[in-house]
Amino acid sequence: AQSVAQPEDQVNVAEGNPLTVKCTYSVSGNPYLFWYVQYPNRGLQFLLKYITGDNLVKGSYGFEAEFNKSQTSFHLKKPSALVSDSALYFCAVRRTGGKLIFGQGTELSVKP
Amino acid sequence: GAVVSQHPSWVICKSGTSVKIECRSLDFQATTMFWYRQFPKQSLMLMATSNEGSKATYEQGVEKDKFLINHASLTLSTLTVTSAHPEDSSFYICSVVSGSRGTDTQYFGPGTRLTVL
Repeated sequence: AQSVAQPEDQVNVAEGNPLTVKCTYSVSGNPYLFWYVQYPNRGLQFLLKYITGDNLVKGSYGFEAEFNKSQTSFHLKKPSALVSDSALYFCAVRRTGGKLIFGQGTELSVKP
Repeated sequence: GAVVSQHPSWVICKSGTSVKIECRSLDFQATTMFWYRQFPKQSLMLMATSNEGSKATYEQGVEKDKFLINHASLTLSTLTVTSAHPEDSSFYICSVVSGSRGTDTQYFGPGTRLTVL
């Protein structure tokens, strides 16, 4: 069965510091992986995806993610966090029929 | 990415009434849309897959007679919560699929907050 896990419910970072939001996956075959961000009372915004190719994927708002096949991970990163990055982040894996399986979400809090 | 709208953005209704939520794809024709519900600070739960011109496919445990989905055109899918009860209160989000099969990306609407009194 395909699944994703986000081991941290919350991540706290000081503004200007690098941030990492962790995601691990379990799939059979090649994984199609996604990161989304959700601001309060809003839908999800697409950040980036990994389908194939370069393991380092660059996305919106300065975010990037590194696909690591040996560790079955797809961690989201940003070199310098902003207060406005504070939000709920979801990792997802695509399954048959185009459906997405989401992780439980990680709340990112960036303090000034 | 695709632009998706939902209407209304929030609705309050009395127990026993029905509520219709619209999901529109504004900039391209969507043959497939998905409906999710989300409880506060929790992940999204897929409810059903809406296919234009055919019946929706519901996930296990989702009552198809309670959550009626109609995908009558390539730009509009509707979710009707019939005989709503307080336990149906939730945040409902739709998404559309854009891109080539296998590399497609889901783009989400802004969500609809339903409160049943």
